[in-house]
Amino acid sequence: DIQMTQSPSSLSASVGDRVTITCRASQIIDNYLNWYQQKPGKAPKLLIYAASNLQGGVPSRFSGSGSGTDFALTISSLRPEDFATYFCQQTYTNIYTFGQGTKLEIK
Amino acid sequence: EVQLMESGGGLVQPGGSLRLSCAASGFSFSIYSMNWVRQAPGRGLEWVSYISSSSSTIYYADSVKGRFTISRDNAKNSLYLQMNSLRDEDTGVYYCARDHNSFGGDRVLDYWGQGTLLTVSS
Repeated sequence: DIQMTQSPSSLSASVGDRVTITCRASQIIDNYLNWYQQKPGKAPKLLIYAASNLQGGVPSRFSGSGSGTDFALTISSLRPEDFATYFCQQTYTNIYTFGQGTKLEIK
Repeated sequence: EVQLMESGGGLVQPGGSLRLSCAASGFSFSIYSMNWVRQAPGRGLEWVSYISSSSSTIYYADSVKGRFTISRDNAKNSLYLQMNSLRDEDTGVYYCARDHNSFGGDRVLDYWGQGTLLTVSS
């Protein structure tokens, strides 16, 4: 199975900061990479699909990049509602796998 | 409005069985593939199983293969997960999620239920 490794596992930042979370796949997955946001006690929410495409209704301060094995999620200017846990996911194979998550906390 | 509502979670002893259900509404359930994803307490997301719209294609994570069975009833707009030989490590929130081919070409889990909690403990 393809392993997905996110870094960092946790991140402290302030409102207004620009932050980047990275995700590395154990083999090439083209652009079959999605990003999800999860808040405590809630279901995950799709943010970015196919590495760089913003899901409808997601603010434009979120962006995704990368292809092959290395990907990134960037939030250009943090807002209070962005403090959450973020997961990457590959759907290149039929056995989907997620990264371990990055918890974004308020500094 | 797309809605997915899981049910059937609860407390089960190790070695026991349970069936989870997911009721779908607000979309044409019969044309979408579906998934189960779980999350152990305080942990990350783990994909569990996939079923195609017609039930002709099914996949499982190695951790549940041979113990869990995914199924669906398109006439009832419902998805199921039969879980047998349950272990402590199966404890967690189980989500059903709709599988969709994105405009970017990859598959995404675009709608999720709120989850149902399974606790395996003696």
